[in-house]
Order: sequence, then structure tokens, then C-alpha cells
Amino acid sequence: AIQMTQSPSSLSASVGDRVTITCRASQGISSDLGWYQLKPGKAPKRLIFAASTLHSGVPSRFSGSGSGTDFTLTISSLQPDDFATYYCLQVYSYPLTFGGGTKVDIK
Amino acid sequence: EVELVESGGGLVQPGGSLRLSCAASGFTVSTNYMSWVRQAPGKGLEWVSVVYSDGSTQYADSVKGRFSISRDHSTNTLYLQMNSLKTEDSAVYYCAGYSYGYPGYWGQGTLVTVSS
Repeated sequence: AIQMTQSPSSLSASVGDRVTITCRASQGISSDLGWYQLKPGKAPKRLIFAASTLHSGVPSRFSGSGSGTDFTLTISSLQPDDFATYYCLQVYSYPLTFGGGTKVDIK
Repeated sequence: EVELVESGGGLVQPGGSLRLSCAASGFTVSTNYMSWVRQAPGKGLEWVSVVYSDGSTQYADSVKGRFSISRDHSTNTLYLQMNSLKTEDSAVYYCAGYSYGYPGYWGQGTLVTVSS
């Protein structure tokens, strides 16, 4: 199975900060990577797919980049609604595998 | 608007069985890929199973031989039959429908607790 290593596991940031989360795959996965946001008691929300394509309705402050083994999710200006846990997901091959998650909380 | 609603979770003893359901509206279960994903308490997301549009299935090694994914076209419902449950199967279980090759539509989850 492809392993997804996500970092950092947690970070503290302020509203307006630029936030960067990275995900590294144990082997090349082309651009077959998505990013998801998870809040307690809510359905996971897809933010980005195909490494850099923004899901419909997702604010443009979210962006994704990368291909092969290294990927990045960037939030250009953190908003109060963005405090959550973020996961990357590779869909290159089954079993699908998620990164370990990054919890973004308020500094 | 797409809505997925999971049900069937609860408390079950180790070795027991449970069947989860995921009722879909605005999205056709039988013609799209569908998956189950879980999150154990304090842990990250873990993919569990997928059923493809042609009906073929795949499972995580951790549940292979114990869980079975299926769907009912007439009720537009996805199922996860879970047998021989272990304490480590305790988690919130989410169903997800695919779009653009990725789980794109998610339910809010149903909690499964395996404990004596």
C-alpha cells in the first residue's frame, strides 16, 4: 500500500496567516491526490482533487500543488471557518490511503 | 442537491455483527463508485471498502473477509455488512459517493462501538 506522510500533524495560526500543509507519497502517484477538511460532527468536505483542482464552492484562498510524490495545500489567508483538521488522500491505487491529518487551531 | 445519510450504528459486542446503511438522494448509488471510510476515536481517516459501478468490490486488509459492501438499486442505498467485529473496528463510519474519481459527497457518519 502507498503510504502518505503528512506534516505537520498540528499547527497553531492566527486569522489572516498563510498556512501550508504538505503530503509526501511513498511512491509516485502522478496528480492523483485530494485534500479534505474535517470538523467534529460534520461530513468531511472535499476541497481539492487532482492535486490542484478546486472543488466547486470552495473559497479561492485554498490552493493545491504538486505531482509525483510531493504535494502542498495552502490557505492564503486563514479564516475563522478554516480551523479544522485536513487530510490528503491518494486515489492512484487501492487501497486508498489518507495522510495522518493536520489539525489547524487558533494561536 | 446530494444527500447521504448513514444509519445502523450502535453498540455491539466483540464477535458480533452490524449492518450499516447509507441512503442517498440526488445521487445514484448503483451507477457511481461508493466507498465506506471510518475514523476511530482520536485517530485519522481510514478507507474501508469500495464498490465500483460494475459491482466489483475491494476492501482494506484490516476488514477483508469480515466486511461486505453492497447496494440496492431499488432503494438507492449502500450497505456495509460487518461481521466478526473487533474492538478496533470502533469508529465513526462515513459513506462517500465519488465524483471526478474521488470521494466527493459524504454523509455525516454513524458511530459503531464494539465493546463488551
